[in-house]
Amino acid sequence: AQTVTQSQPEMSVQEAETVTLSCTYDTSESDYYLFWYKQPPSRQMILVIRQEAYKQQNATENRFSVNFQKAAKSFSLKISDSQLGDAAMYFCAYADSNYQLIWGAGTKLIIKP
Amino acid sequence: DAGVIQSPRHEVTEMGQEVTLRCKPISGHDYLFWYRQTMMRGLELLIYFNNNVPIDDSGMPEDRFSAKMPNASFSTLKIQPSEPRDSAVYFCASRTGAWGELFFGEGSRLTVL
Repeated sequence: AQTVTQSQPEMSVQEAETVTLSCTYDTSESDYYLFWYKQPPSRQMILVIRQEAYKQQNATENRFSVNFQKAAKSFSLKISDSQLGDAAMYFCAYADSNYQLIWGAGTKLIIKP
Repeated sequence: DAGVIQSPRHEVTEMGQEVTLRCKPISGHDYLFWYRQTMMRGLELLIYFNNNVPIDDSGMPEDRFSAKMPNASFSTLKIQPSEPRDSAVYFCASRTGAWGELFFGEGSRLTVL
């Protein structure tokens, strides 16, 4: 069965600096999608970025980028120029062939002013 | 579009009472999901619908839980009778197509005393 592991329960970073959140997954499939979602204190989950497994190029969205290592089954999220509004829980998720999302346990990101 | 709309935002009830949570997906979305989030178990998929038809309800904890989607713009999740262990945040989410972005509502926080 597919699993998603986020090994960092909590991370902290100084405002304006860069932080990387880790995510590994286990699958035997070759075609799938990976996602990072953000859950701020308001509770609503918001998509940050997504990556198609067949694409070698790493996805980027403004200050957010991923380092997708398919062979290593690793999908880390890099946040550049961290802002106070980035403080949230970040969830890594894998979409399997049934199109269902399998979620990691989340990483709480703290931004220090 | 107003996004996925859930009600109520908060519900406090006593053990044994019936609870009904409501969801209005984004117009045009053909998939609807119900998730439960707790500190202990994280995000759990309870059930999902495609074109108003329940596809997978294997995540529904037990017979006390039921979900319906009578039309494309409305779904309910009912718990009867409720128990303290049902206390959680329940999210509704919708998307268009199998690989579309998943949009979440703000969640319904349920407390069963």
